Amino acid sequence: AQSVTQPDIHITVSEGASLELRCNYSYGATPYLFWYVQSPGQGLQLLLKYFSGDTLVQGIKGFEAEFKRSQSSFNLRKPSVHWSDAAEYFCAVGGGTGANNLFFGTGTRLTVIP
Amino acid sequence: DAGVIQSPRHEVTEMGQEVTLRCKPISGHNSLFWYRQTMMRGLELLIYFNNNVPIDDSGMPEDRFSAKMPNASFSTLKIQPSEPRDSAVYFCASSRSGDSGNTIYFGEGSWLTVV
Repeated sequence: AQSVTQPDIHITVSEGASLELRCNYSYGATPYLFWYVQSPGQGLQLLLKYFSGDTLVQGIKGFEAEFKRSQSSFNLRKPSVHWSDAAEYFCAVGGGTGANNLFFGTGTRLTVIP
Repeated sequence: DAGVIQSPRHEVTEMGQEVTLRCKPISGHNSLFWYRQTMMRGLELLIYFNNNVPIDDSGMPEDRFSAKMPNASFSTLKIQPSEPRDSAVYFCASSRSGDSGNTIYFGEGSWLTVV
């Protein structure tokens, strides 16, 4: 069965510190992996996605994520967090062509302290 | 470039009333999704359409909920009668099959409060 686990419900980091948000997935086929960000009162915005090729993918706002098949993980990272990064982050997995839907994790809420 | 457009953005209604949420997907996208987000249950897929045909409606909570997609540029989600437990944010999203792994793009959401 397809599923996504985000083990951290809430993370607090200081502005300027590095960040890593964890995501583990279960998917029966080759996964397509996504990270979305949701600011308060807003919809979900795509940060980055992985389909194939280089396992380290770059996204918007200085984020990157690394796909590790052996660990079934797709962790999101940022070297230096800004106060504006405070938001909810969702990891999602899908199967690409013919399998339109995405399965979302429960989200990780990021708080940034000055 | 217009994104997914939802209306209304906010709605407050009384229990028992009919609620209709509307969505215009991104032009050229052939898949449309309705999600519901609550604190308790997170993000749930209610239903999705492919080429205007409902593919999976297993997430629709009960018969009070219905969704239609009469054409490629419009969809509605209706709740009749509404109940307080339906209070949530309802997101519409769209994607294009085979395009970049079916990346799904979300609207800003319709914030529903049923009192």
